[in-house]
Amino acid sequence: NAGVTQTPKFRVLKTGQSMTLLCAQDMNHEYMYWYRQDPGMGLRLIHYSVGEGTTAKGEVPDGYNVSRLKKQNFLLGLESAAPSQTSVYFCASSYTRLEAFFGQGTRLTVV
Amino acid sequence: AQSVTQLGSHVSVSEGALVLLRCNYSSSVPPYLFWYVQYPNQGLQLLLKYTTGATLVKGIKGFEAEFKKSETSFHLTKPSAHMSDAAEYFCAVSGEAAGNKLTFGGGTRVLVKP
Repeated sequence: NAGVTQTPKFRVLKTGQSMTLLCAQDMNHEYMYWYRQDPGMGLRLIHYSVGEGTTAKGEVPDGYNVSRLKKQNFLLGLESAAPSQTSVYFCASSYTRLEAFFGQGTRLTVV
Repeated sequence: AQSVTQLGSHVSVSEGALVLLRCNYSSSVPPYLFWYVQYPNQGLQLLLKYTTGATLVKGIKGFEAEFKKSETSFHLTKPSAHMSDAAEYFCAVSGEAAGNKLTFGGGTRVLVKP
């Protein structure tokens, strides 16, 4: 049972490059989330989705875009990476507004 | 907007001592409340949750938390700390009052001293 899988696990980008982080869940969950985790700041919500084809902005959406074309996948895109986007990114999914299941994280460094 | 405050970014406890981590939320409507644990280089794992009903909630690994509406609090406790409890702990809220978004506090890192 894979749960929530994030790809890639590590990445180094140069400033201005673009990339897409993939989140896949096999639990048929409606809700999916993207968070970033920075020291001392907890987890901050970037974007989320309440179902296939829907997305919404979270707390820190600037510089990111998302898509949920399939229920099981939630993609996070960085169009032009900046050093301020160096962080650990977590994807999560949930069946309702209750407990969420988290992936193992993607450690992104922008140089 | 819903917010979650965790008092103390770092807590140090001796092995065998009580673990107490504080969480307060801001909402006039009780949200759903959660505690998660994160071990180094790992994702978050749910310890326990409160939705409705009994205000004392028991979770995994010997942890429990009590929802106190009058104090808008959801503090996490464990009677006797173990070395394996060293981790970062996050309080979170969800539900309609939180705009259906899972919102986290800043986290509390627990150090367990032998």
